[in-house]
Amino acid sequence: RKEVEQDPGPFNVPEGATVAFNCTYSNSASQSFFWYRQDCRKEPKLLMSVYSSGNEDGRFTAQLNRASQYISLLIRDSKLSDSATYLCVVRDNNDMRFGAGTRLTVKP
Amino acid sequence: GAGVSQSPSNKVTEKGKDVELRCDPISGHTALYWYRQSLGQGLEFLIYFQGNSAPDKSGLPSDRFSAERTGGSVSTLTIQRTQQEDSAVYLCASSLRLPAGENEQFFGPGTRLTVL
Repeated sequence: RKEVEQDPGPFNVPEGATVAFNCTYSNSASQSFFWYRQDCRKEPKLLMSVYSSGNEDGRFTAQLNRASQYISLLIRDSKLSDSATYLCVVRDNNDMRFGAGTRLTVKP
Repeated sequence: GAGVSQSPSNKVTEKGKDVELRCDPISGHTALYWYRQSLGQGLEFLIYFQGNSAPDKSGLPSDRFSAERTGGSVSTLTIQRTQQEDSAVYLCASSLRLPAGENEQFFGPGTRLTVL
């Protein structure tokens, strides 16, 4: 079993749609959780951290369910510029474990 | 300010040759990571440096891979006797300190390695 698993997609949605991604992780002792965004042939960049109580940043909402060991990312009112691959990242001590990413394409 | 830089941006080599990839982290960042990303895949952790501590080499795929970090700054990833399966983008990231809390990793643009 992979340490961090994501649905690879692709998710193809129209502008303005709401889309949600899930991610599951295998190590119940994992300490920190993040969503990174990676544009095609570019390096990953931090989108947002994921806090136990859930957190929101504009159109983006991240949630963590430690009991079920999954993390979610919700994007509301999606924009063309949201098209990218979204990487779920889990920290185990010094190690940052990346999921393979979920590809999102937002279409006009 | 300057971000993480990596060189070369592209490297094409023949099977069996050795290659060296360089990473210059953001000044003052004590934590440095190497990852590799194969086409369409996620990031695979390779090695982690924190200050002057012994590196975490748990992700290195074979003994052909090694890395060092001189003076707590620049890092070099060396791949000996390259194989075709080593072809990937090698990404370096740095962060301000041991990632307690939510310290962000800043990634370099990567080195695209192609082994013929």
